[in-house]
Amino acid sequence: DVKVTQSSRYLVKRTGEKVFLECVQDMDHENMFWYRQDPGLGLRLIYFSYDVKMKEKGDIPEGYSVSREKKERFSLILESASTNQTSMYLCASSLFGRAFYGGGQPQHFGDGTRLSIL
Amino acid sequence: SQQGEEDPQALSIQEGENATMNCSYKTSINNLQWYRQNSGRGLVHLILIRSNEREKHSGRLRVTLDTSKKSSSLLITASRAADTASYFCARNKLTFGKGITLSVRP
Repeated sequence: DVKVTQSSRYLVKRTGEKVFLECVQDMDHENMFWYRQDPGLGLRLIYFSYDVKMKEKGDIPEGYSVSREKKERFSLILESASTNQTSMYLCASSLFGRAFYGGGQPQHFGDGTRLSIL
Repeated sequence: SQQGEEDPQALSIQEGENATMNCSYKTSINNLQWYRQNSGRGLVHLILIRSNEREKHSGRLRVTLDTSKKSSSLLITASRAADTASYFCARNKLTFGKGITLSVRP
């Protein structure tokens, strides 16, 4: 079974801090994704990556950046955390292809990081 | 935008009953997927149905797709308390709905 591991289940940071959320998958998947999940808004795609060092913006990339230096690891970076970035962050991976165009592959999700910005 | 509607927003049924959840979308799709999310956990993939398919089954789950009506349904038969979760549909280009909260009463 694919395992997607997010480094923290809960994280509390202060406004203005630089925050790193880490995600690792163990099945050699090409695609990796970061979402945020908020009550009443569902899941919204922040960024995704279809290969090492490749990234594309999702629906809400403002205030975030990402890094993918190795195939198995995808990091989400909050450059200067703000209170409106308090949310549940979900990482996912899927097997291959540029999933943004056509999709058609199951995504495997981590259990999420609940981030609070004070 | 490919955002559509999921309905109902919440559904409460008795154990043993069937649960039907619906997902509509606005633009054409190549495929549609259904996911489940248990409280405090990540999403788990249930079924993927492609635009040239009309129905798929997986255990107690049945998914239908009507491209003429731009809608899909997820049917859970003989529901169990363990089916209590949120259910999401995702259209291609990874557009997720807001989810349907299903409560199954023992």
